Amino acid sequence: KNQVEQSPQSLIILEGKNCTLQCNYTVSPFSNLRWYKQDTGRGPVSLTIMTFSENTKSNGRYTATLDADTKQSSLHITASQLSDSASYICVVSLTDSWGKFQFGAGTQVVVTP
Amino acid sequence: EPEVTQTPSHQVTQMGQEVILRCVPISNHLYFYWYRQILGQKVEFLVSFYNNEISEKSEIFDDQFSVERPDGSNFTLKIRSTKLEDSAMYFCASRLGAQTTDTQYFGPGTRLTVL
Repeated sequence: KNQVEQSPQSLIILEGKNCTLQCNYTVSPFSNLRWYKQDTGRGPVSLTIMTFSENTKSNGRYTATLDADTKQSSLHITASQLSDSASYICVVSLTDSWGKFQFGAGTQVVVTP
Repeated sequence: EPEVTQTPSHQVTQMGQEVILRCVPISNHLYFYWYRQILGQKVEFLVSFYNNEISEKSEIFDDQFSVERPDGSNFTLKIRSTKLEDSAMYFCASRLGAQTTDTQYFGPGTRLTVL
């Protein structure tokens, strides 16, 4: 069964600190992996998109890594800001699909002053 | 910056009633999607739509659901006879092209409450 598992479920960090979120997937055949940020009550917003041949992708203070061999990805947030408080969702796309993405449950990040 | 819009932001309906959720995708986008997110759960794919027809649908998207692009701008999701378990946030999304790495843009969602 195609699955996307994220950890931790939630975390609290101090403003200015770094954090790393994890994503493990069993989706096959794999096409690409995306990280989204979802503020409460809003739609997800794309942060990064990586194909199986890419190891890392950055978007400002967000850096995603991908190991397609071990089927693991991480999202690193550098110098966190209060506005980073949100749910971060790992989404995996199947090779033969245009939009039948498999969503993870998300990691809820709370940045405190 | 162009964005996907959805109306209404919140819809309350009685069980058994029909509802239509409306979306206006980004104007030059060609691929459209509906997702739902039950409170506290993960986002789930419902259906994708291209060239005026459904290209993929999930097992959730049964006969009570239908989608339509009635004109050049709107994309609608109809639920014929709502059930309590249809209560969720419904997100519309659109994408420009067929590249699997194209960004999907999500709307702000419609919160559907079935009483």
